[in-house]
Amino acid sequence: GDSVTQMEGPVTLSEEAFLTINCTYTATGYPSLFWYVQYPGEGLQLLLKATKADDKGSNKGFEATYRKETTSFHLEKGSVQVSDSAVYFCALINAGNNRKLIWGLGTSLAVNP
Amino acid sequence: DAGVTQSPTHLIKTRGQHVTLRCSPISGHKSVSWYQQVLGQGPQFIFQYYEKEERGRGNFPDRFSARQFPNYSSELNVNALLLGDSALYLCASSIGQANSPLHFGNGTRLTVT
Repeated sequence: GDSVTQMEGPVTLSEEAFLTINCTYTATGYPSLFWYVQYPGEGLQLLLKATKADDKGSNKGFEATYRKETTSFHLEKGSVQVSDSAVYFCALINAGNNRKLIWGLGTSLAVNP
Repeated sequence: DAGVTQSPTHLIKTRGQHVTLRCSPISGHKSVSWYQQVLGQGPQFIFQYYEKEERGRGNFPDRFSARQFPNYSSELNVNALLLGDSALYLCASSIGQANSPLHFGNGTRLTVT
């Protein structure tokens, strides 16, 4: 079945460091890919999305490119801030899978000043 | 525009009791999904409804049930509560088209004692 694998955390960075969180997927057909962010004590927020190969999703300085050849959707940010500290989830949705989100396990990011 | 709203935000119940959680989707969204998130883990799919019909069900016991109303709002019911049902229950809505993103509410924090 469909699955998402993302790098294990926690990830600890200093402010203004470069961030990469790796995400790879296994899916039939043409899924859409998402990154969600969960700040402490809050629900999930859609961070960015990509619906087809080579699409680049971007939001709040974060970017991820849908790479079908490597089945990847890595999240990057050039300069992280303390306020980016959160848990980041990679997910996919596949029309052939009852449209339920398939989640990675989440990667906790802590940014120190 | 209002996002996905869930009520109540917090709830404390004792074992054996039942609980009803409520969700109002974003205006215009016809699909509602429910997820359970245990502390420190990713969300687990419970149900998806579209146009008042169940379209998907996760691996949860029959104690869990849900429904969607004509105005597209939804309720999640859990009977005979167990300690292990303590979690953050997340509702998400989408327009219902293939691979459209899910937008989450802030969740209901259920504690079973």
